[in-house]
Amino acid sequence: NAGVTQTPKFRVLKTGQSMTLLCAQDMNHEYMYWYRQDPGMGLRLIHYSVGEGTTAKGEVPDGYNVSRLKKQNFLLGLESAAPSQTSVYFCASSYVSNGGEEGYTQPQHFGDGTRLSIL
Amino acid sequence: GQNIDQPTEMTATEGAIVQINCTYQTSGFNGLFWYQQHAGEAPTFLSYNVLDGLEEKGRFSSFLSRSKGYSYLLLKELQMKDSASYLCAVLDSNYQLIWGAGTKLIIKP
Repeated sequence: NAGVTQTPKFRVLKTGQSMTLLCAQDMNHEYMYWYRQDPGMGLRLIHYSVGEGTTAKGEVPDGYNVSRLKKQNFLLGLESAAPSQTSVYFCASSYVSNGGEEGYTQPQHFGDGTRLSIL
Repeated sequence: GQNIDQPTEMTATEGAIVQINCTYQTSGFNGLFWYQQHAGEAPTFLSYNVLDGLEEKGRFSSFLSRSKGYSYLLLKELQMKDSASYLCAVLDSNYQLIWGAGTKLIIKP
């Protein structure tokens, strides 16, 4: 019963370095999301995916890229890390029943988060 | 713009009842979620409301008034383990979740 697994859990980067955050889910969910959570602010959607091979931009996509090559995995990349990207990153997934509106009302299941510091 | 407002912090006593309010202004409405988040952990789903009224789940209840853009989460018989942040989120017309900043609930013995 792993659910949603994120790796790594912690990472410290220097400005300009690149890295990839991995999210894996074993619930056969269609939808996957990447959020960032900063103090005093709500979760903000970076990118999301409605199925294998498809991705879309969320509220704060700049500086990030994503890929969904396999249904169970959703990767978040930082090409050139900046101090403003210091945050806690959460991956989430949700179920789609027969597609369409009903799928969107299913609760999202979250991973434990990745705490990323950019120096 | 879209906006979700919740109190930043609330304090309550073990065994008591607390009500956490959430008001929203969003482009469209397709339901409202409440999540619980313990410090350093992931958010976990508590409740979903799409129609007006009260939904009860054990010690937790959630209320929605769409005409007022208002919801509350009611926690009864508070326990120390209920100390956490409570996040309100609205599904907008694009079926994107818009999140409030969360309410940190402190339970005192």
